[in-house]
Amino acid sequence: DAGVIQSPRHEVTEMGQEVTLRCKPISGHDYLFWYRQTMMRGLELLIYFNNNVPIDDSGMPEDRFSAKMPNASFSTLKIQPSEPRDSAVYFCASILWGSTDTQYFGPGTRLTVL
Amino acid sequence: GEDVEQSLFLSVREGDSSVINCTYTDSSSTYLYWYKQEPGAGLQLLTYIFSNMDMKQDQRLTVLLNKKDKHLSLRIADTQTGDSAIYFCAESDSGYSTLTFGKGTMLLVSP
Repeated sequence: DAGVIQSPRHEVTEMGQEVTLRCKPISGHDYLFWYRQTMMRGLELLIYFNNNVPIDDSGMPEDRFSAKMPNASFSTLKIQPSEPRDSAVYFCASILWGSTDTQYFGPGTRLTVL
Repeated sequence: GEDVEQSLFLSVREGDSSVINCTYTDSSSTYLYWYKQEPGAGLQLLTYIFSNMDMKQDQRLTVLLNKKDKHLSLRIADTQTGDSAIYFCAESDSGYSTLTFGKGTMLLVSP
């Protein structure tokens, strides 16, 4: 398996623009997580899904952030409108619940909002 | 809420042992993890320990857990320059679903 795939790897945009980050979890995994990493706040859980259903979105910072998982192999995290303070690395991770395994992380998307 | 604290930076010489420390506040933590993040990459699980264990050894890695003090440590024996990375401590009280991470300890290994 190719692991968790995220795109784009880098995104530079201007304040006010819409940004869409994409994630393809490992095939067969039934949980998907979105994290944000910054120097100041470290790694924060934004939202997670189970079988494509959002379970806990209490980490989503504002209404400007939204996440969807239309099917088991694809999820998006959207920021509209984007602001400079949204600049961070966004990670997606997936796991097969009940396995003796752990969360597998994607390589991340580095977002810069100018 | 849960909190996980780590020192931010550790510098060692190649061949020495490294010890990275972590404290956590959630007394119901069941699983404790160490992740490694290399530059430009995602997090990779190094090892984990269940709360009913005191120690776990895996090749050059030794994890010690003091549940009374809520203190976790990661010892890397014979540290190599390739071990230079950021190491994250994480805890979970509900299996493998949600994790609370520390802010990471940057380990710098000099030749």
